[in-house]
Amino acid sequence: KAGVTQTPRYLIKTRGQQVTLSCSPISGHRSVSWYQQTPGQGLQFLFEYFSETQRNKGNFPGRFSGRQFSNSRSEMNVSTLELGDSALYLCASSSDAGTSGRSAYEQYFGPGTRLTVT
Amino acid sequence: AQSVTQLDSQVPVFEEAPVELRCNYSSSVSVYLFWYVQYPNQGLQLLLKYLSGSTLVKGINGFEAEFNKSQTSFHLRKPSVHISDTAEYFCAVTRMDSSYKLIFGSGTRLLVRP
Repeated sequence: KAGVTQTPRYLIKTRGQQVTLSCSPISGHRSVSWYQQTPGQGLQFLFEYFSETQRNKGNFPGRFSGRQFSNSRSEMNVSTLELGDSALYLCASSSDAGTSGRSAYEQYFGPGTRLTVT
Repeated sequence: AQSVTQLDSQVPVFEEAPVELRCNYSSSVSVYLFWYVQYPNQGLQLLLKYLSGSTLVKGINGFEAEFNKSQTSFHLRKPSVHISDTAEYFCAVTRMDSSYKLIFGSGTRLLVRP
């Protein structure tokens, strides 16, 4: 099976702009989670989507939003970019607990999108 | 709430020596535990996990970890490291309630020297 893919891999934006990042999960996986990784704050949970619904949300401002499509692909959007939004954004996918039991808690990560805000 | 502590920010070790990376967690509810590895400019790769059963779990690349519920620890070990093991290692937990939200430690950089 192909792994989690994220596009683009690198992005440079200017303060005030908005950006959309894309994530394609492993085939058959229905849960997609997003994480932000920065040197100062480490790895932080942004949100999780399952069957096109946001199921969990982390402590990030409303400028950070996401959505999931019927094919489980997910996008996250950051509006009004700030310098502090510069980070590696990681997407992870996992299978459905109804079919996989405890294994559904195993999350598989993509290579990430490196966002630089100038 | 859950939290994960990785006390060692960097662990230098010589090639072929054993290594232990420490992880302690705090949680008021039962959790599942994971170790991930991150190589430069890459995403996270799942090394091993504790979901149930034997408290000694084996993962990829010769790594193993032991879940100790009384000490709330999940230390990662390898009997003999290679240069290629140089990377950042993250311990993580998630609640057993379908939250699928991983709480990560701050990471330990393993530096293997020849």
